[in-house]
Amino acid sequence: QKEVEQDPGPLSVPEGAIVSLNCTYSNSAFQYFMWYRQYSRKGPELLMYTYSSGNKEDGRFTAQVDKSSKYISLFIRDSQPSDSATYLCAIYNAGGTSYGKLTFGQGTILTVHP
Amino acid sequence: DAGVIQSPRHEVTEMGQEVTLRCKPISGHDYLFWYRQTMMRGLELLIYFNNNVPIDDSGMPEDRFSAKMPNASFSTLKIQPSEPRDSAVYFCASSLLREEAFFGQGTRLTVV
Repeated sequence: QKEVEQDPGPLSVPEGAIVSLNCTYSNSAFQYFMWYRQYSRKGPELLMYTYSSGNKEDGRFTAQVDKSSKYISLFIRDSQPSDSATYLCAIYNAGGTSYGKLTFGQGTILTVHP
Repeated sequence: DAGVIQSPRHEVTEMGQEVTLRCKPISGHDYLFWYRQTMMRGLELLIYFNNNVPIDDSGMPEDRFSAKMPNASFSTLKIQPSEPRDSAVYFCASSLLREEAFFGQGTRLTVV
C-alpha cells in the first residue's frame, strides 16, 4: 500500500465549478499536510499548508484535514481556466526514523474549460 | 537566492551509459530531496538528506541508482548503467524542516 493515495483523474470541469480533490494516507506519524500545484513543464509549488484537523481557507481554496479517517481534501471554488494544472497532496512525516520525509500523492490533473 | 538549480535541463543518452544529475539547493536549507516523476507513477521520492546525511533511500529503485551530497550546496544523482525505463523527469527540492519545499525546474531524462 502506498503511503499517500490520490486519484490521478484526469478531472475536467467547466469554468465556475466547485472542484474537490482528495487524498488518503496510511501513516499516523504524518502530521503536516500540504497541497502543491504544478503547471506543465514546471516544478511543483506550494499552494496551501496545514497541520491540524479542520478547514483552512485561502481565497478560493480550502484545505480540509480529517486525521481520524486519514483523509485530506482541497476544494476550489469558482474555478478558473488558470487553475488548470496538476494538484499534488504532500505529507510530512513528523515521527519515527523517517522524520522529515516529504511524500507526495500521484497528483490529479485538472482542466477547467471556459 | 536563485532558487534550487538543477542541471542539465535535458539529457538524452544511450542505454548502458552513465548519467549524472546535479542539484544546488537553496542556501541555508537543511533538507534535500530527489524525486522522479512519470505519468504512470507520479512523483516518487527516491532519497532525502538532512544536513548532507542520507536519511531514507528506500525509494531508490535499484543499485544502479546512487546519490551523494558532499556538502551543503551540492548533490548528485547517478544512474549507472542507464536503461530506457529510467526515462522520467527528475526533480530536486530543498527545505527547512516542516517548511515549504522548493523545487528545481527538473531534468528531463530520455534513455534510448
